[in-house]
Amino acid sequence: GQNIDQPTEMTATEGAIVQINCTYQTSGFNGLFWYQQHAGEAPTFLSYNVLDGLEEKGRFSSFLSRSKGYSYLLLKELQMKDSASYLCAVKNQAGTALIFGKGTTLSVSS
Amino acid sequence: DSGVTQTPKHLITATGQRVTLRCSPRSGDLSVYWYQQSLDQGLQFLIHYYNGEERAKGNILERFSAQQFPDLHSELNLSSLELGDSALYFCASSVGAGVDQPQHFGDGTRLSIL
Repeated sequence: GQNIDQPTEMTATEGAIVQINCTYQTSGFNGLFWYQQHAGEAPTFLSYNVLDGLEEKGRFSSFLSRSKGYSYLLLKELQMKDSASYLCAVKNQAGTALIFGKGTTLSVSS
Repeated sequence: DSGVTQTPKHLITATGQRVTLRCSPRSGDLSVYWYQQSLDQGLQFLIHYYNGEERAKGNILERFSAQQFPDLHSELNLSSLELGDSALYFCASSVGAGVDQPQHFGDGTRLSIL
């Protein structure tokens, strides 16, 4: 089976840095994705990691350690518009479908 | 705008009824995925089609079925609806079926069962 854990909620202030952790246990691993979802809207793709290490994309970075079954999403220079749910997802064993965690709701305040 | 189009945006119906949700993938995408999102379960994978053929099934109930047509649009049919089927239904598409390809989501159909 597959299990993905993320904190339910996090809070931060504008301009700060926040790290959202994700741990996973899967039978087979085909990559890890991070998505952002504003309330009532579609999830939007943020990043993809399949090899260990850090991937940087502007204000957002994502890290993966396959041996530890661990990933994090790092958000820098937080803005109010970053208030959203952040979803960690791994590809299923067949490599087709995404298995999502329940998401971390981030609230950014001024 | 992801380029994935879902209709209708909202659907209100009664228990026991049947509904059809429609999805048009991004231009050039051959894969279509359906997901259900409820407050307590999060995003759950239902089914995947690639170029007209079913490729993978997730937690899809027997009352639910889907298909992908030659023009690559897809429909999700939900029948004998129950109160617990109330949820947001998302369609996503990707270019192919490769493991590294991100899926791009439509805006979803909000289904309310009364």
